[in-house]
Amino acid sequence: QLQLQESGPGLVKPSETLSLTCTVSGGSISSSSYYWGWIRQPPGKGLEWIGSIYYSGSTYYNPSLKSRVTISVDTSKNQFSLKLSSVTAADTAVYYCARHPTLYYYDSSGYYDYWGQGTLVTVSS
Amino acid sequence: SSELTQDPAVSVALGQTVRITCQGDSLRSYYASWYQQKPGQAPVLVIYGKNNRPSGIPDRFSGSSSGNTASLTITGAQAEDEADYYCNSRDSSGNHLGVFGGGTKLTVL
Repeated sequence: QLQLQESGPGLVKPSETLSLTCTVSGGSISSSSYYWGWIRQPPGKGLEWIGSIYYSGSTYYNPSLKSRVTISVDTSKNQFSLKLSSVTAADTAVYYCARHPTLYYYDSSGYYDYWGQGTLVTVSS
Repeated sequence: SSELTQDPAVSVALGQTVRITCQGDSLRSYYASWYQQKPGQAPVLVIYGKNNRPSGIPDRFSGSSSGNTASLTITGAQAEDEADYYCNSRDSSGNHLGVFGGGTKLTVL
């Protein structure tokens, strides 16, 4: 059974960089069949996509966060990571990592089939 | 980019049928996926593609689509279905799966 687990500091100071890692177990992050994504949810609010990465390192980012986001992959450790710079209180959220099958032009579907449990990151001094 | 619009809240009597909708231009080209989220838990995929349920999802959950609107229907709602429901789809370019609806809070009366 595939499992995803987020890890990283639960408290980050304003203007600093938030760093999280997602460790994948029960499957290979190097599969050509999947992308790996980060999604966040501020307390009491909805889901917001941050970005996604392929095992090759190809990335897609939310345009509203693109200037502050870097997502990277370490296939040797079966992990992918998120860095969000210059954080403010508005970046306080539960951060989830998730997997979705590779999107093809001939297939109209897309879905996140596995999610991590989420980790709360609070931005505060 | 794209936007998906959901009603903030919907209620249904126990055992009755409820439809939760999601509207957006990208839905004219791409299917929505639907997620159930209970308090303190990660979202769970309940419907994807034309009308597919992952293993373990009850068959009272179904999906449909028409024009720019996708719908999640729960036939015979149960108390345990009370949750937030989110739709998700590709952006208008089809390159990423980054568009989420604002969520619908379902109350089972």
